[in-house]
Amino acid sequence: AQSVTQPDIHITVSEGASLELRCNYSYGATPYLFWYVQSPGQGLQLLLKYFSGDTLVQGIKGFEAEFKRSQSSFNLRKPSVHWSDAAEYFCAVGGNQFYFGTGTSLTVIP
Amino acid sequence: SAVISQKPSRDICQRGTSLTIQCQVDSQVTMMFWYRQQPGQSLTLIATANQGSEATYESGFVIDKFPISRPNLTFSTLTVSNMSPEDSSIYLCSVPSGGVAGELFFGEGSRLTVL
Repeated sequence: AQSVTQPDIHITVSEGASLELRCNYSYGATPYLFWYVQSPGQGLQLLLKYFSGDTLVQGIKGFEAEFKRSQSSFNLRKPSVHWSDAAEYFCAVGGNQFYFGTGTSLTVIP
Repeated sequence: SAVISQKPSRDICQRGTSLTIQCQVDSQVTMMFWYRQQPGQSLTLIATANQGSEATYESGFVIDKFPISRPNLTFSTLTVSNMSPEDSSIYLCSVPSGGVAGELFFGEGSRLTVL
């Protein structure tokens, strides 16, 4: 069965520190993988996506993610977090139908 | 990319009433999805709305509770019927960018609070 797991419900980091949000998936075929961000009161915005090719993908706002097939993971990273990055982050897998993880809430402290 | 407008953006409703959420897309799309995001939880697919056919509902969701209309390729409505406090959620309209490997574009959501 298809599923997405985000093991970290909530993460707090200091502004300027590095960030890694974890995502593991279960999918029967070659996965298409996505990271979305949801800021307070906003809809979901696509940060980045992986379809094929280079396993390290770059996204908007300085985010990147690495697809590791052997670990069934697609972790999101950012080298230096800004206060405006505080939001809810969702990992998703799919193509015709999407499956979302339960989200990771990011708090950024000064 | 697609621009999706949802109305209302938020509403407070009384138990037992129904509310219809509208979703307008700035381009023609075959498939539209309706998601629910309950407080503190992830997105759950309610149904897929294809123009010209009945909506396809996911397990746990039924047409009597969540009737959907899809009159043309740019518009859809979702009605939440006979609401209870458990229906308090954000309801999101979404469309794929196209193709099997497409991404999803989302509206800003409709936040419903049922008293």
